[in-house]
Amino acid sequence: GAVVSQHPSWVICKSGTSVKIECRSLDFQATTMFWYRQFPKQSLMLMATSNEGSKATYEQGVEKDKFLINHASLTLSTLTVTSAHPEDSSFYICSARDGRRLDEQFFGPGTRLTVL
Amino acid sequence: GEDVEQSLFLSVREGDSSVINCTYTDSSSTYLYWYKQEPGAGLQLLTYIFSNMDMKQDQRLTVLLNKKDKHLSLRIADTQTGDSAIYFCAENRGSTLGRLYFGRGTQLTVWP
Repeated sequence: GAVVSQHPSWVICKSGTSVKIECRSLDFQATTMFWYRQFPKQSLMLMATSNEGSKATYEQGVEKDKFLINHASLTLSTLTVTSAHPEDSSFYICSARDGRRLDEQFFGPGTRLTVL
Repeated sequence: GEDVEQSLFLSVREGDSSVINCTYTDSSSTYLYWYKQEPGAGLQLLTYIFSNMDMKQDQRLTVLLNKKDKHLSLRIADTQTGDSAIYFCAENRGSTLGRLYFGRGTQLTVWP
């Protein structure tokens, strides 16, 4: 089956630093990737849609300068949380859609970010 | 409202049927999904239904869709302890496939 990995699985950083999270599709080409964040006991909230080779489309209320998304290849998308603050602490989850199957997307295991 | 709504908890005995309900928001949503999340694992797609269908059955899983009421349900027949997990419903809003909006998830606990 299709596998999506995320790295790192967890990260702790100091307030004011930037953190990069990678999302990789391991056995398929992902023309589109999505980034979500999930607070404890809450639903996943869609942050942005990332298409390979083009700028990401951000959901309303998500700061694009705060959450930088790069989708430079068909198997890799990165999310950089810039100048992180404690309120950015969350679980970040990516998903990837196989270009040959538009009706299904595959989720990564998530990255736990803790900002001190 | 704007949120996808689900009840937060459901407990059933092993062997009984489980029914998880969801109310979504956008009548034009094209696909509606059920995902399963187990501790430490990524979301696993269980099943989905296209908006022009009323019902979909896949082995022990039955999805019912009431478009008029924007109500989606997932029935798990012969529930097993291994079915214990959090179940999320999600709707695909708008024309871009993959832009999913999730409910808060229903914690299903199956008692032996």
